Amino acid sequence: DGGITQSPKYLFRKEGQNVTLSCEQNLNHDAMYWYRQDPGQGLRLIYYSQIVNDFQKGDIAEGYSVSREKKESFPLTVTSAQKNPTAFYLCASSIGQFNQPQHFGDGTRLSIL
Amino acid sequence: DQQVKQNSPSLSVQEGRISILNCDYTNSMFDYFLWYKKYPAEGPTFLISISSIKDKNEDGRFTVFLNKSAKHLSLHIVPSQPGDSAVYFCAASYQGGSEKLVFGKGTKLTVNP
Repeated sequence: DGGITQSPKYLFRKEGQNVTLSCEQNLNHDAMYWYRQDPGQGLRLIYYSQIVNDFQKGDIAEGYSVSREKKESFPLTVTSAQKNPTAFYLCASSIGQFNQPQHFGDGTRLSIL
Repeated sequence: DQQVKQNSPSLSVQEGRISILNCDYTNSMFDYFLWYKKYPAEGPTFLISISSIKDKNEDGRFTVFLNKSAKHLSLHIVPSQPGDSAVYFCAASYQGGSEKLVFGKGTKLTVNP
């Protein structure tokens, strides 16, 4: 079955540490996205990539970094510069433009120890 | 500035009745709207979409209505089932999909048996 796999499901980070969240898709989608969801809030776009080796900042990119070396993979690094990293992180992919339905992974919940 | 608003954080209906979830938007340039459904600890799932050239789109029990003059859209679920209990997000994009999706904060629907 095609889909998006995010790992791990739960992640704990110490203050001052960088941490990388994994996102892999086997849907052959060109576009991939990272969102952050906080309690009672909608999804906010962190970064997106519409093609391999290219990505753009979303609304809340500060303190995050990404890479897109392969079509299937779009890892997100939460750096120590992100002052409030505790949140639910969702990865998504789509065939192309934003008005194409996005397929989401099941998310990673990041918490600070 | 919240461009997509879901003013009802929660909605409770009886099984078999109609559920109506509402969404208002402020940006008249939005030309494509999507509804996503999300269960706890899972990623959102695409439900239904509508282009601004239409005023209605139907898919089984789900119908989305768009009122461009009022900048309002609604999702109707008929008949409602307990399995429909989830958080529903409204999202919008513009410029033919070349711009990012803007999500509302979601409405939690509870369908009581």
